[in-house]
Amino acid sequence: KQEVTQIPAALSVPEGENLVLNCSFTDSAIYNLQWFRQDPGKGLTSLLLIQSSQREQTSGRLNASLDKSSGRSTLYIAASQPGDSATYLCAVRLPSQGGSEKLVFGKGTKLTVNP
Amino acid sequence: EAEVAQSPRYKITEKSQAVAFWCDPISGHATLYWYRQILGQGPELLVQFQDESVVDDSQLPKDRFSAERLKGVDSTLKIQPAELGDSAMYLCASSLLRDLTGELFFGEGSRLTVL
Repeated sequence: KQEVTQIPAALSVPEGENLVLNCSFTDSAIYNLQWFRQDPGKGLTSLLLIQSSQREQTSGRLNASLDKSSGRSTLYIAASQPGDSATYLCAVRLPSQGGSEKLVFGKGTKLTVNP
Repeated sequence: EAEVAQSPRYKITEKSQAVAFWCDPISGHATLYWYRQILGQGPELLVQFQDESVVDDSQLPKDRFSAERLKGVDSTLKIQPAELGDSAMYLCASSLLRDLTGELFFGEGSRLTVL
């Protein structure tokens, strides 16, 4: 059974700091890995999608890497801002029953960026 | 910008009552997912549709939960009777076709509180 672990569970940093969020998964047979952001009481916003054949993706101040063989992904946030405060979730897409596929999520890292 | 629409945003009900949630995916997205997210946890898949067909409902508590997507567009998730442990955020997501490389897009969610 695929398990996705995110470390740390919570992180508090001062504004302007660069930071790294970690995600690990137990089964490397994934189609892709997706990072999401979730604000309190809200739905999930997709940040970055990395295909299994890719090593990294970048969007603005965000950079996500994927090492499928070791079952690890990192989300790097440069020059953090208070508006980055949210919970960040990673999810792997893998085969499911009936030839379909599904996302398996980690529990998330709650990030607080202090002004 | 296209969005996944969900309603209601909030629902408070007493145990043993029936509740229903509605989701309208992004136009053209053939795959629709219902996830449940308990506070502090990552979302967990309840049911996945490809057009109007269920392709994965292995985690759906079928004694009290039902889901349908009659015309392959919008979908309804029903709980009857609701139990205290059903209090959670119910998230709908959609993706384009059966594209294993595609992103999932989530709605804002429906928060259920069972008293």
